[in-house]
Amino acid sequence: DSGVTQTPKHLITATGQRVTLRCSPRSGDLSVYWYQQSLDQGLQFLIQYYNGEERAKGNILERFSAQQFPDLHSELNLSSLELGDSALYFCASSASGGPSYEQYFGPGTRLTVT
Amino acid sequence: AQKITQTQPGMFVQEKEAVTLDCTYDTSDPSYGLFWYKQPSSGEMIFLIYQGSYDQQNATEGRYSLNFQKARKSANLVISASQLGDSAMYFCAMREGGGSNYKLTFGKGTLLTVNP
Repeated sequence: DSGVTQTPKHLITATGQRVTLRCSPRSGDLSVYWYQQSLDQGLQFLIQYYNGEERAKGNILERFSAQQFPDLHSELNLSSLELGDSALYFCASSASGGPSYEQYFGPGTRLTVT
Repeated sequence: AQKITQTQPGMFVQEKEAVTLDCTYDTSDPSYGLFWYKQPSSGEMIFLIYQGSYDQQNATEGRYSLNFQKARKSANLVISASQLGDSAMYFCAMREGGGSNYKLTFGKGTLLTVNP
């Protein structure tokens, strides 16, 4: 158990809909990262938040947005969903400071868009 | 150009033998970190080992060791005494630079199968 929690574990929804994925980082971790894993694109970085502020952006679509709240949990909002958005979405967290900054991943949310 | 290259889509190894999973990387940043993650069929991503670009010695964590050859830009994972539970997808990843931008770039992975 990495200490990172994600809800829900599975999500099935229709095209055009909007969903929210939730992540709670490990206790004390200030950074939260979102990744998307799909068969064709592999594992791709979407966005990073550090202590409530957006710190880095990757291949995140404009239909997607995220935020990190004062209690450090984060939400990833996906709107106008398309079939191609079906993927496993991971949240990861890391501590500030420390030599390695390894990221600990949550169990993921499997999104299926039908 | 790909930043992380894993050239072995699949690997087979006999139980109790050692196996090396290849990873090469491309960066011009002098400060970077290299990671290996394991993803079993259940889907979770499990952190295995880390090597910093300035580390003088190869990283080891139990049965996992990282063969870091900086000049060749390679960071191969060595698993000793393979176990059936090691069957999984293995990903090599890199973090470039410093500051607080710690995003990871992943390779496409190697599927390891351990045979009894």
